[in-house]
Amino acid sequence: KAGVTQTPRYLIKTRGQQVTLSCSPISGHRSVSWYQQTPGQGLQFLFEYFSETQRNKGNFPGRFSGRQFSNSRSEMNVSTLELGDSALYLCASSPSLLETQYFGPGTRLLVL
Amino acid sequence: AQSVTQLGSHVSVSEGALVLLRCNYSSSVPPYLFWYVQYPNQGLQLLLKYTTGATLVKGINGFEAEFKKSETSFHLTKPSAHMSDAAEYFCAVQYSGGGADGLTFGKGTHLIIQP
Repeated sequence: KAGVTQTPRYLIKTRGQQVTLSCSPISGHRSVSWYQQTPGQGLQFLFEYFSETQRNKGNFPGRFSGRQFSNSRSEMNVSTLELGDSALYLCASSPSLLETQYFGPGTRLLVL
Repeated sequence: AQSVTQLGSHVSVSEGALVLLRCNYSSSVPPYLFWYVQYPNQGLQLLLKYTTGATLVKGINGFEAEFKKSETSFHLTKPSAHMSDAAEYFCAVQYSGGGADGLTFGKGTHLIIQP
């Protein structure tokens, strides 16, 4: 089976712009979670989607949003980018909720 | 609330020596516990997991971990380190009761292998 894929792998944006990141889960997986990884804060949970519904959300401002499509693919959006949003954004998929999560390679976002 | 503490942000061992990476957790209910490894410029790869049952869990690449409820620990070990083990290791906990905030990760331990 193909693993979790994330596009794009690298992205450079400027402050105030918005960005959309994409995640394709492992075939058959219905749950997708997003995490932000930074040197200072480490790995932090953003949100989780299952069956096109957001099930859980971490402690992030409303500028961070996401959605899941009927084929389980997911996107996350960050509006009004700030310098502190520079991070590696990781997507993980699992067959269902509370099952083992398998991670993609991440999208590295740099905000200038 | 659940939390994870990894003792030692950097651990250095000689090739062939025992690897021991420490992880302690706090959770108000029985947790699911995981170890992930991250190589440079890559995502996280699952090493092993504990959900229920046998407390000694074997994973990939010769790693194993033991769930000790009384010590709230889930330390990762490998009998003999290999140069290819050099990476960042993350311990994570998930609330088995559901409805919580995804995986909670420790800050990570950078494993250095000395030749």
